[in-house]
Amino acid sequence: DAGITQSPRHKVTETGTPVTLRCHQTENHRYMYWYRQDPGHGLRLIHYSYGVKDTDKGEVSDGYSVSRSKTEDFLLTLESATSSQTSVYFCAIGAGGSGANVLTFGAGSRLTVL
Amino acid sequence: GQQLNQSPQSMFIQEGEDVSMNCTSSSIFNTWLWYKQDPGEGPVLLIALYKAGELTSNGRLTAQFGITRKDSFLNISASIPSDVGIYFCAGDPNTGNQFYFGTGTSLTVIP
Repeated sequence: DAGITQSPRHKVTETGTPVTLRCHQTENHRYMYWYRQDPGHGLRLIHYSYGVKDTDKGEVSDGYSVSRSKTEDFLLTLESATSSQTSVYFCAIGAGGSGANVLTFGAGSRLTVL
Repeated sequence: GQQLNQSPQSMFIQEGEDVSMNCTSSSIFNTWLWYKQDPGEGPVLLIALYKAGELTSNGRLTAQFGITRKDSFLNISASIPSDVGIYFCAGDPNTGNQFYFGTGTSLTVIP
């Protein structure tokens, strides 16, 4: 988890409330990603960023928004949490570029929506 | 999204045995990554592959980038108890550094 910090690590919330998860990196990597992990589905990409204020949707983006105002921070927001968004959320960073790109993951944020 | 089929879904083996798992895709990938995840932690990179046919080792682990660019394989030799965990493959079709993950192989090593 060197260089990547996710907060909070655990959160319990109620349906309909907004939730923001934060990912902070100290590696100055260009790419940042948010994945969710659910049993039987592996890791699925929610949103990713390829630079400050440059973001794009992943395969499961409905119900989520992101923002990246600084290189080091990538925020994931659930505007109105639903029980189907109960999951473990992982942030990842990547330096980008073909032939050398790998993802480094944070420790995860476990979200429970009641 | 891209579909990555990872098999087997789970494995139960005796300590000292060799392990093989694979990942296949319906489309061509330009990068294959293999990760291991321990309970309560994030995935950790084991091996990265960037060229078709490439064979790369990391200690007892060996991974190959398939010639067709639609598959990859991971082998673990002489398994030990600390090999227990979930192994994931990930591929990048080079559509903007998006990585897609397989559903994982759960490995149990019996001492």
